[in-house]
Amino acid sequence: QTVVTQEPSFSVSPGGTVTLTCGLSSGSVSTNHYPSWYQQMPGQAPRTLIYSTEIRPSGVPDRFSGSIVGNIAALTITGAQADDESDYYCVLYMGSGIWVFGGGTKLTVL
Amino acid sequence: QVTLKESGPVLVKPTETLTLTCTVSGFSLSNGRMGVSWIRQPPGKALEWLAHIFSNDEKSYSTSLKTRLTISKDTSKSQVVLTMINMDPVDTATYHCARMFQPRYAYYMDVWGKGTTVTVSS
Repeated sequence: QTVVTQEPSFSVSPGGTVTLTCGLSSGSVSTNHYPSWYQQMPGQAPRTLIYSTEIRPSGVPDRFSGSIVGNIAALTITGAQADDESDYYCVLYMGSGIWVFGGGTKLTVL
Repeated sequence: QVTLKESGPVLVKPTETLTLTCTVSGFSLSNGRMGVSWIRQPPGKALEWLAHIFSNDEKSYSTSLKTRLTISKDTSKSQVVLTMINMDPVDTATYHCARMFQPRYAYYMDVWGKGTTVTVSS
């Protein structure tokens, strides 16, 4: 069974830039997986940051950006702020109406 | 305003069947660009996609859980129902429903319910 991989944890300094990644245990991530990214604060429902690789829903700051780099999907946060400290999840579409979440990345801003 | 609200039992016993209901408002379950997925999150663990139902009533399930899951909808009641058979303590989790929206080529989860917490224990 295909596993979607993410870094378990990451840290960034306030004002810094961080790139979180989303890969596959077998194969490459492509635009056909329509990667999406979600931010989840403790005790809250997730919030959509990026869909279809790089599209930001209205209301999401432009310091969040999505891309495919090589064979992985990436979420880049520029100018990190204290309230970006959160869990981040990617989701990949596997076809046949099936989606798979990554294991999530716990981002610390310090 | 689009909202989704999950409801169901707080506690179920091992081997029992769990039935959860997602009541939606602000959109129609017959809208061709929208569907509803169920996602769960065990305490302190990652989100896990479970099942999806499309506007045309097509269904899809997590590969690892498909033998235990059934998703259905009642468009007139604006409700999506998920049943999971043979519950086990490892199924203890917060269960969310989310609207899946297809603005262009692919769906994504654009609006989430707050979730309902289910504990499996005897």
